[in-house]
Amino acid sequence: DADVTQTPRNRITKTGKRIMLECSQTKGHDRMYWYRQDPGLGLQLIYYSFDVKDINKGEISDGYSVSRQAQAKFSLSLESAIPNQTALYFCATSDSAGGRADTQYFGPGTRLTVL
Amino acid sequence: GESVGLHLPTLSVQEGDNSIINCAYSNSASDYFIWYKQESGKGPQFIIDIRSNMDKRQGQRVTVLLNKTVKHLSLQIAATQPGDSAVYFCAENVGSGTYKYIFGTGTRLKVLA
Repeated sequence: DADVTQTPRNRITKTGKRIMLECSQTKGHDRMYWYRQDPGLGLQLIYYSFDVKDINKGEISDGYSVSRQAQAKFSLSLESAIPNQTALYFCATSDSAGGRADTQYFGPGTRLTVL
Repeated sequence: GESVGLHLPTLSVQEGDNSIINCAYSNSASDYFIWYKQESGKGPQFIIDIRSNMDKRQGQRVTVLLNKTVKHLSLQIAATQPGDSAVYFCAENVGSGTYKYIFGTGTRLKVLA
C-alpha cells in the first residue's frame, strides 16, 4: 500500500462544496484508476487514465472529474458534493501488460462524508 | 453472493483450521481473476491471481481454484491465523479490455482464537 498513497484519508464536507482527492504512486505504473466502494456493492470504476494524455470515463463518472498531473499523480474532484457521494474512494495503479489483463494495486482509501 | 459493508456474509474459522471462501463470477468470457484481502481501514491488497487457462494456483498458504464450467472461484487459506481476519473479494477481468474488472462484494473472515 505504501507505493500508492492517497490524501486526505478522511474528509467530511458539506453539500455543494468542491472536493479534491489526491493519489500518488511510486510504482512507476502508467495506468491509474479511481473507484468508489459502497456497502453492498463491489468497487465501481469512476475514471481511468492510461497515460498523462489519456483520460476516460468509467461506469459512474457523473458528478466527478479527474486530472492526471503527471505519470505519478491522479486526482479526483467532486465539483459540487452531494450526500450520495458519501463513500470510500480508492485509487489504483497498474502496468500495461501487452494486451493481457493487468493487475491493479490499490491505495489505502479516502473516506468521504458529505453532509 | 458476497457483500462488502454492513451485511457481509461472514465465515468464522478456528485458528489453525483451513478456510474456504467462494466467489461466483458472472461473465463466461472472463479470462483473469484476482483475490483481494481488505483489512479494516485499508485498501484492497492483492493476494493471488489465476488465468483462465489454469484451474489451480498455489501461493504461500493460499490456493485459488477455478471452475469455469460453473463459473466458480474459491480461495483456500491453510492454517488460518488471526492476521487473516479481513474481507476477501474476487475480481474478474472481463476480457473486453485489460483494465476492466467486475468486483465481488466480499466475504468477511473471522478467525476465532
